[in-house]
Amino acid sequence: IQLTQSPSSLSASVGDRVTITCRASQGISSYLAWYQQKPGNAPKLLIYAASSLQSGVPSRFSGSGSGTDFTLTISSLQPEDFATYYCQQLNSYPRTFGQGTRLEIK
Amino acid sequence: QVQLVESGGGLVKPGGSLRLSCAASRFTFSDYFMSWIRQAPGKGLEWLSYISSSGRTIYYADSVKGRFTISRDNAKNSLYLQMNSLRAEDTAVYYCARDHFRPYSGYDYWGQGTLVTVSS
Repeated sequence: IQLTQSPSSLSASVGDRVTITCRASQGISSYLAWYQQKPGNAPKLLIYAASSLQSGVPSRFSGSGSGTDFTLTISSLQPEDFATYYCQQLNSYPRTFGQGTRLEIK
Repeated sequence: QVQLVESGGGLVKPGGSLRLSCAASRFTFSDYFMSWIRQAPGKGLEWLSYISSSGRTIYYADSVKGRFTISRDNAKNSLYLQMNSLRAEDTAVYYCARDHFRPYSGYDYWGQGTLVTVSS
C-alpha cells in the first residue's frame, strides 16, 4: 500500500490553521497513524486509528478520514510544531509510511 | 517512563554484518509487539520488520527480506536485528519501536536510534 502526502512542504505562521493530507493507494479503513519528527529526534506518535489523540498530545492536533483519504489538522500553529510529519498505514504489512511533510516557519 | 535503547550501530564494509540490540525497560516487554524502522540520512521513514510478543509471527520489508533477521529474548527484555550482506543503501539510523497497546495503532514509544554506516 502506497501513501502519498501533500503537500511535501509547507510554510506557515504561528497561529495559522494547517492541514496535511495522506492518500492511500487502497482502502485501509481507519488504520492510520500520524507522527511528528524534529531534527535529530525519533518520531513521536500524535494520532492513531485516524482520529484518536495519543495521550499527552495537545488538543490542537486532530485527525480525520477513513478508507483512502486522511487529514491531519493543527488548529493554531505553535512554535514547537515546526517539524516533519509522517502518516503510516497499519492495515497490512509492510506498514508503509508517507514520504513526509516538512512544516516550516514563514 | 518506557525506555528503549538501541546499540550496536557503527561503520561496516559492504557485504559485512552487524547485530543491533534494543534494550527495553519500565514496561512488560513480553506483552508487546515490536518493530524496527530506519531512516536514511535526509530521507523519510522506512518500516523494516515486525515481531509478535511471543516471537512466533514475523514480517519483513522486501528490501531486507533474506538479509535481515529480527528476534527477541523476553527473558532479557531485548529485541535484536541481525543484518547480513549489508549494502551502501542500508546506511541509516535504525530505530526500535513498541507497538501501541491498541492493535493497528502505530508505535507509541521509539528508541533514540543507532546509526549504521555501510562504506568501504
